[in-house]
Amino acid sequence: DAKTTQPPSMDCAEGRAANLPCNHSTISGNEYVYWYRQIHSQGPQYIIHGLKNNETNEMASLIITEDRKSSTLILPHATLRDTAVYYCIVRVLYTNAGKSTFGDGTTLTVKP
Amino acid sequence: NAGVMQNPRHLVRRRGQEARLRCSPMKGHSHVYWYRQLPEEGLKFMVYLQKENIIDESGMPKERFSAEFPKEGPSILRIQQVVRGDSAAYFCASSPGQGASYEQYFGPGTRLTVT
Repeated sequence: DAKTTQPPSMDCAEGRAANLPCNHSTISGNEYVYWYRQIHSQGPQYIIHGLKNNETNEMASLIITEDRKSSTLILPHATLRDTAVYYCIVRVLYTNAGKSTFGDGTTLTVKP
Repeated sequence: NAGVMQNPRHLVRRRGQEARLRCSPMKGHSHVYWYRQLPEEGLKFMVYLQKENIIDESGMPKERFSAEFPKEGPSILRIQQVVRGDSAAYFCASSPGQGASYEQYFGPGTRLTVT
């Protein structure tokens, strides 16, 4: 699986958009970009995933660059409860490749 | 629809004992993954199972660790003769299908403490 690079930490003001970058410059055509978060040692929570198009759901938006070498997770209106470690992961599309390879992630701190 | 269930949530074992961790996937999910998170570290993949089959055990230590996902019942991660270094949070995830087009849903984890 391709390796991802994320900043170790970020701060965001409550109510503002949080933009979390991820670099995956070695991503291949059959790899999805996934985002999870882990709040204070709880189980990781799925946020969103995409292949090459931008995606949006009730939690967040995922913007993937045209060359697919980087992506940004956007939390449109961050709240204190969004304080967590955010993991960007790439996963191979096809069978027998179920595992996710987690890096160190970005610790997002939302401040009042 | 209940989420992924793991039990026990906390488990304390003395060195040399056996630890059995259970994972019940979400309804309709037949793919189970186990991950380990050591204190202050990220999650590390251990093993990927489908019903009655181990698909990928590349992250599992060769000795003392085993996993199964029987036709009926939960998936079991078994650690024999536990040592202090096994103290960690063990997370199980499930998905409805195979491959990266299916998201994985994680359980709350089992925190194993070896004394």
